[in-house]
Amino acid sequence: NAGVTQTPKFRVLKTGQSMTLLCAQDMNHEYMYWYRQDPGMGLRLIHYSVGEGTTAKGEVPDGYNVSRLKKQNFLLGLESAAPSQTSVYFCASSADMNTEAFFGQGTRLTVV
Amino acid sequence: GENVEQHPSTLSVQEGDSAVIKCTYSDSASNYFPWYKQELGKRPQLIIDIRSNVGEKKDQRIAVTLNKTAKHFSLHITETQPEDSAVYFCAALNSGGYQKVTFGTGTKLQVIP
Repeated sequence: NAGVTQTPKFRVLKTGQSMTLLCAQDMNHEYMYWYRQDPGMGLRLIHYSVGEGTTAKGEVPDGYNVSRLKKQNFLLGLESAAPSQTSVYFCASSADMNTEAFFGQGTRLTVV
Repeated sequence: GENVEQHPSTLSVQEGDSAVIKCTYSDSASNYFPWYKQELGKRPQLIIDIRSNVGEKKDQRIAVTLNKTAKHFSLHITETQPEDSAVYFCAALNSGGYQKVTFGTGTKLQVIP
C-alpha cells in the first residue's frame, strides 16, 4: 500500500518556466490537498478537491492551478514560475474532511 | 476563515520532562482539532486528534485538551524522549462551514538527552 505518492521529489526551475507536480493516492480518498511549507509559516493550503472533477481555492492559490480528472490523482501546475514559489510542496488526502490526512513525501522546488 | 495561532515556536526540554504546546483558534464553530508531527526531512503524520464533543484525549504519553469556551487546545507530551524531537503542528476545522483544515505555524521541539 503506497499511500500518497508525489512526483518529482526535487526540481529546479528557471523563472518563467512551467511544470506540473503529480500526486497519486491509492486509498480511494475523496479529499485531496496541495500545501506549501515555508520556514516559520507552517502548512498553507494552495488548492483542494472534495471529489473527482472538483477543485477549490485555498489560502494561497495565486500562481497555481490544479486538476482532479481522476479520483486518485491531483495535479498542481505552475504556469510561470517565480522565485517566490520556491518552497516544499506537500500533497495530502483524506477520506473525509474531519479525518486523518495522509501526506506525500514532499517536493522541494527551487525557482532561480 | 479560520485563524490558528500556535505557541511557542521553539521549545527545548530535558529528556524525561514534559512538553506543552498551545494553540488558539478563531472560528467558534470549529469542531475537529488534529495534531501532526513532522520529523526532519519527513512528511507530517497525525499523532492525535480531538473532536469538540470531548474535553481531553490521551494516547500513552500524548494527551490533548480542548477548551471550547476559550477557543484553545493544547498538546501535552510526558516523559519526553529524544525521538520526540520534531516540529509539531496543530490544526482546526469547521466541518460544517469552511471545509478545510487550517494549520498553526508549528513548534520545533528539541528533547535534550
